[in-house]
Amino acid sequence: TQLLEQSPQFLSIQEGENLTVYCNSSSVFSSLQWYRQEPGEGPVLLVTVVTGGEVKKLKRLTFQFGDARKDSSLHITAAQPGDTGLYLCAGAQAGNNRKLIWGLGTSLAVNP
Amino acid sequence: GEEVAQTPKHLVRGEGQKAKLYCAPIKGHSYVFWYQQVLKNEFKFLISFQNENVFDETGMPKERFSAKCLPNSPCSLEIQATKLEDSAVYFCASSQSGGGSGNTIYFGEGSWLTVV
Repeated sequence: TQLLEQSPQFLSIQEGENLTVYCNSSSVFSSLQWYRQEPGEGPVLLVTVVTGGEVKKLKRLTFQFGDARKDSSLHITAAQPGDTGLYLCAGAQAGNNRKLIWGLGTSLAVNP
Repeated sequence: GEEVAQTPKHLVRGEGQKAKLYCAPIKGHSYVFWYQQVLKNEFKFLISFQNENVFDETGMPKERFSAKCLPNSPCSLEIQATKLEDSAVYFCASSQSGGGSGNTIYFGEGSWLTVV
């Protein structure tokens, strides 16, 4: 059973469109991290959200942590081809924040 | 160094052979993590170290997998008698503290193991 459900699994959109990726769980996390991974490389941290209800912005990317700290979303505004990649969410559980639980990722393709 | 360095980048082993992967964490980082990424992008936690001590090994298939982080040496992950299902990308990561809410975890580029 996957602890962190990520959706959609695949997304192909046109340049300029908006999109939202979801990360859901029945478990509470002390923090949740979003990563981006490109082919042949390791994941790179985009943001960490810690407080329930927290919203963080990174240029055209908006990250939100659910009030109950069980879910999170990543919204990209006016997607660019450079946003293409695999987006992964990973949660740290209270009491063991050194071991991340990972979603299966959302593979995003932004077409020019 | 300023990045997590993993070697080799690619490794091919026949079923039953041994495979050994190496990782040099970022200088000054106390924690090292090994993750296995298999098909469908699933990241599986294997083991973590705090300096040279095993911190959490709950993800390790202990029968064939072992790992070490010795002082003044790269960390290593060794698989004895590899099986086809061990084919995956093995990522090493390091952090100043334990990761999670407090600190960034930096990942290496991974070592791609193919067992044939």
